[in-house]
Amino acid sequence: ETGVTQSPTHLIKTRGQQVTLRCSSQSGHNTVSWYQQALGQGPQFIFQYYREEENGRGNFPPRFSGLQFPNYSSELNVNALELDDSALYLCASSREQASSYEQYFGPGTRLTVT
Amino acid sequence: DQQVKQNSPSLSVQEGRISILNCDYTNSMFDYFLWYKKYPAEGPTFLISISSIKDKNEDGRFTVFLNKSAKHLSLHIVPSQPGDSAVYFCAAMINTDKLIFGTGTRLQVFP
Repeated sequence: ETGVTQSPTHLIKTRGQQVTLRCSSQSGHNTVSWYQQALGQGPQFIFQYYREEENGRGNFPPRFSGLQFPNYSSELNVNALELDDSALYLCASSREQASSYEQYFGPGTRLTVT
Repeated sequence: DQQVKQNSPSLSVQEGRISILNCDYTNSMFDYFLWYKKYPAEGPTFLISISSIKDKNEDGRFTVFLNKSAKHLSLHIVPSQPGDSAVYFCAAMINTDKLIFGTGTRLQVFP
């Protein structure tokens, strides 16, 4: 069983640029959630996708957007990057109707905005 | 507004002894609580969970206790091993909605 994978591992961008991060969900999982983890903080929920539709959003501005594809992989797009967007971005997948609500995380993408 | 709080940023325990990690929450609507472990350069790994209708769940060396009246949960690791050294996150959710994480506690288990 393949786990959650994310690409790229690291990324350096300049303020004002746009970035796309990618996530492949674990086999059999149809729900993908994205989290931002700033240094010294816990992960913060950005949004969740279920069957290609946004299914809940945290307190993040509209310049954070996403997509989910028919194979349940997902993208996180961030426009007009700001210095505070520097963080570890985590993707997590889960099964529909999972009795224990467990989400399985990928290793993350470390984004640095200069 | 921090709905899930881990007030101890770090904990140091001797190998073989018990590690107790604490977590407090403010939202009484949370119906599921989870603990994740995170090693450097890896994503969080699910460790153990507990439903709000229970007060204890055990899995091997790991036990989670939930005190709803105090809005407090704790993770006990017995016996602690050096491989348990990691950052531990407490998380809560409502109806399979988003996970709300605490800020984490760094556990160090020394020989």
